[in-house]
Amino acid sequence: SQKIEQNSEALNIQEGKTATLTCNYTNYSPAYLQWYRQDPGRGPVFLLLIRENEKEKRKERLKVTFDTTLKQSLFHITASQPADSATYLCALTASKIIFGSGTRLSIRP
Amino acid sequence: DAGVIQSPRHEVTEMGQEVTLRCKPISGHNSLFWYRQTMMRGLELLIYFNNNVPIDDSGMPEDRFSAKMPNASFSTLKIQPSEPRDSAVYFCASSLAQGESPLHFGNGTRLTVT
Repeated sequence: SQKIEQNSEALNIQEGKTATLTCNYTNYSPAYLQWYRQDPGRGPVFLLLIRENEKEKRKERLKVTFDTTLKQSLFHITASQPADSATYLCALTASKIIFGSGTRLSIRP
Repeated sequence: DAGVIQSPRHEVTEMGQEVTLRCKPISGHNSLFWYRQTMMRGLELLIYFNNNVPIDDSGMPEDRFSAKMPNASFSTLKIQPSEPRDSAVYFCASSLAQGESPLHFGNGTRLTVT
């Protein structure tokens, strides 16, 4: 059956370090993959999109990689700050847009 | 741009009552999505519309759930009769077109069925 897994429910990182979040999927052939940020009491907010033929995408301190052989995407936040604390969701687009369960990231000062 | 607007923000109702959730998508967006979020199951797609037409409702849990989009600026999700297991946060999202356009989410309706 189709499955999307984000490897950690929660991740605790020291301020200034790089946070790396993982999204793995099985039995999908997504055309592209998206990452969203969700703060408590709010809807998810779009961050980045990467296509199946792209290896890497960057936006300011954010970097996303997409390996269709490994069926995995990595999401990096460099020079992390307490304001980056939130839940991060990956979303696959095949016939429809399906979300992973999210990773709750905490950046401690 | 006001973003996607959902109402009400919170709804508390008794089991067996009808519940109607409302959504106003971003003007010019032609795809609309209803999602449900719970701790156990995460963010689940219930139904989506393209140009006001329902395309895939396979995520709608059962016949008690129905969704309509009478025009490009309004959609409703109705639960009748409601049950305690329907308690969740319901999100509406819109996008320019299904495809590479990102989803723009509202801030959700927190539904509690007692």
